[in-house]
Amino acid sequence: GQQVMQIPQYQHVQEGEDFTTYCNSSTTLSNIQWYKQRPGGHPVFLIQLVKSGEVKKQKRLTFQFGEAKKNSSLHITATQNTDVGTYFCAGPPIRGGNMLTFGGGTRLMVKP
Amino acid sequence: DTGVSQNPRHKITKRGQNVTFRCDPISEHNRLYWYRQTLGQGPEFLTYFQNEAQLEKSRLLSDRFSAERPKGSFSTLEIQRTEQGDSAMYLCASSPQGFRNEQFFGPGTRLTVL
Repeated sequence: GQQVMQIPQYQHVQEGEDFTTYCNSSTTLSNIQWYKQRPGGHPVFLIQLVKSGEVKKQKRLTFQFGEAKKNSSLHITATQNTDVGTYFCAGPPIRGGNMLTFGGGTRLMVKP
Repeated sequence: DTGVSQNPRHKITKRGQNVTFRCDPISEHNRLYWYRQTLGQGPEFLTYFQNEAQLEKSRLLSDRFSAERPKGSFSTLEIQRTEQGDSAMYLCASSPQGFRNEQFFGPGTRLTVL
């Protein structure tokens, strides 16, 4: 079945440093979604990318979808304490459907 | 509050007992999903409803698990003969009709099986 892997599992950064998490799927995805889960909270939708090679920005966050639609990345510039949480990528297979397979997440910790 | 709500928020039960969880999606959303999340892992898809029809089920959903959405509004997830391995956070999410299927998650029900 479809598998989605994320690296790294954990990342400690100094406040103000940049952060990147990478997402790889074993199968081609119809689209890729990113979610953020704060400690003790539930996943919150950040963005959806659909097109091959698509890049989207949200303030300090940059999301990229790979050309083959099997990988994605999230880059945060100049991290802040409010960025703390676990970032998950998720996507349905190219055949369609609404079943999202989530990656294991990257937990971001920011040191002041 | 017009977000997704789940009840109860916490459930402690003894092995072998049956439990039922409820999810109330955002009112205009016709799609509803159930996930299970264990500590340090991403959510694992369990099942998906479009209106009252259960359209997708994961292989993870054993015959002890059953979900319903009888009127296309709220949904229930029942686990029969609970096992310790069922201990997890059970998350419900909903999304509107259309291509953009971003999902809005509820706060979850944390199940502890003793």
